[in-house]
Amino acid sequence: EVQLVESGGGLVQAGGSLRLSCAVSGFTFSDHYMDWVRLAPGKGLEWVARSRNKARSYTTEYAASVKGRFTVSRDDSNKSLYLQMNSLETEDTAVYYCVRVLTGHNYPFDYWGQGTLVTVSS
Amino acid sequence: DIQMTQSPSSLSASVGDRVTITCRASQGINNYLAWFQQKPGKAPKSLIYAASSLLSGVPSRFSGSGSGTDFTLTISSLQPEDFATYYCQQYDSYPLDFGGGTKVEIK
Repeated sequence: EVQLVESGGGLVQAGGSLRLSCAVSGFTFSDHYMDWVRLAPGKGLEWVARSRNKARSYTTEYAASVKGRFTVSRDDSNKSLYLQMNSLETEDTAVYYCVRVLTGHNYPFDYWGQGTLVTVSS
Repeated sequence: DIQMTQSPSSLSASVGDRVTITCRASQGINNYLAWFQQKPGKAPKSLIYAASSLLSGVPSRFSGSGSGTDFTLTISSLQPEDFATYYCQQYDSYPLDFGGGTKVEIK
């Protein structure tokens, strides 16, 4: 069974930092691209970042709203995905989801974690 | 960036109704269009990719169609567990933008 479990969310002041983790099981983590997506209160889903696999040299992509502040990384040996969030803003308050990306088919999403809440106070 | 426009933003329907949600992209996306379902307080669930391919375990009452810039999600006979918010997403190019969502409520 595919499982993705996020952790690391919490309350942080604006300007602070937080590191989210996503531990996975039930599939070969190293084969897959992995993404972060967030849902802010009263808003819609927003794609945040992508981590490609070793075959694609672990390259990354970011939404403009987080580029330069957030860094996505992964540890294939520990089957974990990370999101380092620096210079946090109140607009970053959201539930953050870890998402598995299907291999091929131009890489759509398939499985989602349950999410971890990040609250940035002013 | 590609703008994704969903309509309607909300709708009321009864159990058994046929429901259609539309999604329009601001430019062609090579049919790299996905649909998701989200219930309050729960993680989103992936339903469809490549405009019309159902993911494993998704009930057959869900279907997707369309090409070019115009796409639809159809629920052939709405069930109680289908009341939720639905999102489309293009994954043709970065950023991987979502539509604004369609909330399906009980009439």
